[in-house]
Amino acid sequence: QKEVEQNSGPLSVPEGAIASLNCTYSDRVSQSFFWYRQYSGKSPELIMSIYSNGDKEDGRFTAQLNKASQYVSLLIRDSQPSDSATYLCAVNIRGFGNEKLTFGTGTRLTIIP
Amino acid sequence: EAQVTQNPRYLITVTGKKLTVTCSQNMNHEYMSWYRQDPGLGLRQIYYSMNVEVTDKGDVPEGYKVSRKEKRNFPLILESPSPNQTSLYFCASRPGWSYEQYFGPGTRLTVT
Repeated sequence: QKEVEQNSGPLSVPEGAIASLNCTYSDRVSQSFFWYRQYSGKSPELIMSIYSNGDKEDGRFTAQLNKASQYVSLLIRDSQPSDSATYLCAVNIRGFGNEKLTFGTGTRLTIIP
Repeated sequence: EAQVTQNPRYLITVTGKKLTVTCSQNMNHEYMSWYRQDPGLGLRQIYYSMNVEVTDKGDVPEGYKVSRKEKRNFPLILESPSPNQTSLYFCASRPGWSYEQYFGPGTRLTVT
């Protein structure tokens, strides 16, 4: 089982609709959860962080965390063509002598005008 | 402006020719990392450093070296590059008290 798992997509969503991106993780004691957006050939950009169960809203973005189910999601409301990118889920995962930020392989999102 | 910088941004080299990719951050972050990103494999950590003179291997350290002589700088060294090290490389940093990590712009390396 991968430590951080995402559906690779591509996920296609009409402009103006809600895009829903999902992520599961393996470490039950993880405390820090992040969503990064990455445009093709560019570096990952931090867009959301969440640390407690429930929802966290920032503009058109909502992160949702359910630690019991080891599940974190990102909702993008009123999707715009500029939201077309790969979204990376990142979770702090304990390893051998090292607790580090571990990334999923990303979900490619395409917003259709 | 708070940022992580990397140089060069693009590099084409030949097998066996030693190279160094520099990384610098101006946020006084304790923790710095190097990643490589390959299609279908995502971001994989090469090396990390928790502070000056403290470095350790990540998931894919073979063929790479690092050093951390100053807090702001964390260069990545490829002593004898091979074609399987062709990749997109990112340097990242974060403060010691948080996992919020910030990335440099990336270095696209091609080894022929």
